Amino acid sequence: NAGVTQTPKFQVLKTGQSMTLQCAQDMNHNSMYWYRQDPGMGLRLIYYSASEGTTDKGEVPNGYNVSRLNKREFSLRLESAAPSQTSVYFCASSRTGSYNEQFFGPGTRLTVL
Amino acid sequence: AQTVTQSQPEMSVQEAETVTLSCTYDTSENNYYLFWYKQPPSRQMILVIRQEAYKQQNATENRFSVNFQKAAKSFSLKISDSQLGDTAMYFCAFRKAAGNKLTFGGGTRVLVKP
Repeated sequence: NAGVTQTPKFQVLKTGQSMTLQCAQDMNHNSMYWYRQDPGMGLRLIYYSASEGTTDKGEVPNGYNVSRLNKREFSLRLESAAPSQTSVYFCASSRTGSYNEQFFGPGTRLTVL
Repeated sequence: AQTVTQSQPEMSVQEAETVTLSCTYDTSENNYYLFWYKQPPSRQMILVIRQEAYKQQNATENRFSVNFQKAAKSFSLKISDSQLGDTAMYFCAFRKAAGNKLTFGGGTRVLVKP
């Protein structure tokens, strides 16, 4: 089991460029999440998908879009990157239910110049 | 909205000693879950321990235990017999019983010294 995988691990963009962060899980989880982590702060939820075919906004959705491609994959797209989006991005997945542990990917460090 | 506060930005502890990390939260919910996550330098987020709000008994996982005080909205983590591998950022997190969102505190950096 690879768990939760994310690509790429590092990325540098120029302001205005677009890119998609990829996430996949092989644990047959229904729910998937995207978080960002800024220095000195905990993770903040960008978007989540409670089940295949559904997506919902989290705490900081502005400037992002998501696609739940199938049960395994959940991508995060930056249409026009801004320096404020410089952060570390984490994808996570879990079984349905609030008690269940969220399993995190290794993160993507994104720098927007 | 829920908030989670970790008032200790950084703590250091000698190997084999005990350290306690504090966490307070604010919510109007009666049923919820609380978590402690560890983030070592590798950046990987790892669940350390979790607590259900309706359970009065404090959760324990090997050397890790919590002191859950529901009335005070406090959820501290105790690391006993600290090991060098415990060096990491530790995040407290809150989740409503009927929700998907994890709300994280700002983290406490723990340094275990040999």
